[in-house]
Amino acid sequence: QQQVKQSPQSLIVQKGGISIINCAYENTAFDYFPWYQQFPGKGPALLIAIRPDVSEKKEGRFTISFNKSAKQFSLHIMDSQPGDSATYFCAASMWLTGGGNKLTFGTGTQLKVEL
Amino acid sequence: GAVVSQHPSRVICKSGTSVKIECRSLDFQATTMFWYRQFPKQSLMLMATSNEGSKATYEQGVEKDKFLINHASLTLSTLTVTSAHPEDSSFYICSARAGLAGGQLQETQYFGPGTRLLVL
Repeated sequence: QQQVKQSPQSLIVQKGGISIINCAYENTAFDYFPWYQQFPGKGPALLIAIRPDVSEKKEGRFTISFNKSAKQFSLHIMDSQPGDSATYFCAASMWLTGGGNKLTFGTGTQLKVEL
Repeated sequence: GAVVSQHPSRVICKSGTSVKIECRSLDFQATTMFWYRQFPKQSLMLMATSNEGSKATYEQGVEKDKFLINHASLTLSTLTVTSAHPEDSSFYICSARAGLAGGQLQETQYFGPGTRLLVL
């Protein structure tokens, strides 16, 4: 119930194309869904995040689509660029009894954008 | 804003020695800091959660006597890998979460750049 399933494991997209990464969760107690971008040898950087009361959020070329009833959310990268080549992690967060929260991460998607 | 630093960025040590990794929130006060471990091409695995001034909460399977965590101030947490062995070699990443902001608890975790530990 704590898992977040992410697909695909790897993705190759042509420059200018749309990259789509999907995630699904089971636990309806999750109430915050961030996406992180990680380059090799670096820590993850927050890309964009959404709450379940919103169906879509867009920031620049990055869009999160959220389907609460299906318990699924996805990241769309429009006009993908070679500089977007990185590993992307979806995550889900919930508040814990006793205070605090913690993130549950998906397994990651390695994106490569080719010229 | 929301910058988290880690030091050192990489460390090589001999088996049996202890290694300390520092995590600092540079421009905000982090009431909670998290320590993760990441193996090559894998996801982040939460090791422990630490709140300023209190004992860390370790995830199941993480040896608290081996991975000592101290969160002595609102901007600094340290992870000490005691008696390190080659199997402890990994990428260790910390994250920090601010406390209240505008009367609301903050959920966003900001990650440090990571520390590559190699135990020979």
